[in-house]
Amino acid sequence: AQTVTQSQPEMSVQEAETVTLSCTYDTSESDYYLFWYKQPPSRQMILVIRQEAYKQQNATENRFSVNFQKAAKSFSLKISDSQLGDAAMYFCAYRSGNTPLVFGKGTRLSVIA
Amino acid sequence: NAGVTQTPKFRVLKTGQSMTLLCAQDMNHEYMYWYRQDPGMGLRLIHYSVGEGTTAKGEVPDGYNVSRLKKQNFLLGLESAAPSQTSVYFCASSYRQSYQPQHFGDGTRLSIL
Repeated sequence: AQTVTQSQPEMSVQEAETVTLSCTYDTSESDYYLFWYKQPPSRQMILVIRQEAYKQQNATENRFSVNFQKAAKSFSLKISDSQLGDAAMYFCAYRSGNTPLVFGKGTRLSVIA
Repeated sequence: NAGVTQTPKFRVLKTGQSMTLLCAQDMNHEYMYWYRQDPGMGLRLIHYSVGEGTTAKGEVPDGYNVSRLKKQNFLLGLESAAPSQTSVYFCASSYRQSYQPQHFGDGTRLSIL
């Protein structure tokens, strides 16, 4: 079974600085997709960024980018120019075939003014 | 366009009572899911459905039942609520393809006394 591991339960970053959240996964599949979701205190689950495993180029969405290392099965999220509104739980997730998403346990990010 | 709507948003039950959580989506998604979120545990899949009239067990199905009589609705039932079922419940939906992200409702906070 596929598993997703987020080894940092909590992280903090100074406003305007850069922070990287780690995620590793285990799979025997070659074709799959990886996602980062953000959950602010409002409890909404918001898609931040998506990466296709067969694409070598790292996905970017404005201040959010990923470092996707397929051989190492690593999928970290980098947040640049951190803002107070970035404070949230961040979940890494994996999906292959027609199966449901598999989530990591999350990283709580605090942004310090 | 409402997306994924969950009702109720908050509920308190006594041990042994039953209730049904309702989920509706208006995006014509084939797949629907029920997750529970507990502190430090991330999101764990309870049951899911790949189409009208079909359901499947997820990671933590015990104590729950589901039904999908219509494509747009997915119901989660607790027949005899237990304190261990105190949690935040999320419904999600998606298209079948693995590159499609899951869209989430706003969650239901359920407390069992």
